Amino acid sequence: KQEVTQIPAALSVPEGENLVLNCSFTDSAIYNLQWFRQDPGKGLTSLLLIQSSQREQTSGRLNASLDKSSGRSTLYIAASQPGDSATYLCAVSTGGFKTIFGAGTRLFVKA
Amino acid sequence: DGGITQSPKYLFRKEGQNVTLSCEQNLNHDAMYWYRQDPGQGLRLIYYSQIVNDFQKGDIAEGYSVSREKKESFPLTVTSAQKNPTAFYLCASTLMGVQSTEAFFGQGTRLTVV
Repeated sequence: KQEVTQIPAALSVPEGENLVLNCSFTDSAIYNLQWFRQDPGKGLTSLLLIQSSQREQTSGRLNASLDKSSGRSTLYIAASQPGDSATYLCAVSTGGFKTIFGAGTRLFVKA
Repeated sequence: DGGITQSPKYLFRKEGQNVTLSCEQNLNHDAMYWYRQDPGQGLRLIYYSQIVNDFQKGDIAEGYSVSREKKESFPLTVTSAQKNPTAFYLCASTLMGVQSTEAFFGQGTRLTVV
């Protein structure tokens, strides 16, 4: 059974710091991995989608990597800003319309 | 603008009452999903639908029902059989037939039992 774990559960950093959020999954047989942002009381906004054949994706200050063999993905945020404060979730698609979500990392960037 | 619209944003249910959450999309996506989110937990799949007039149970379907009469619409009914319905409900959609496709989400409905 596929399980997705995100560590840490919460993170507080000063503005301007570079940071890494971690996501691990137990079964390497995935179709893709997606990182989402969720603001309090809101829906999920897709940040990056990495196909199983890819190693990384970049969008602006965000870079996501995927290592299927080790069951790990990281989301790197460069030069963090207070507006980056949110919960970040990763999700793996295992086919058959099954997507398994992690519980998220709650990020707080202090001005 | 293309997207997914959920309504209402907040919903209150009395004990023993059925309530229906609306989800509409104009992305021309074939597949639609309903998830439940509880504090400190990942999203859990309630139901999903790949095409009109067809839907499948997810991991926590008990106490819920859905319909898919139109491609654009996938309403979720929370029945009185759902004993702990207080949660945040999210609707999503994807293209079908393309496994590695991006998922789009609505803004959610917060349901509270009073």
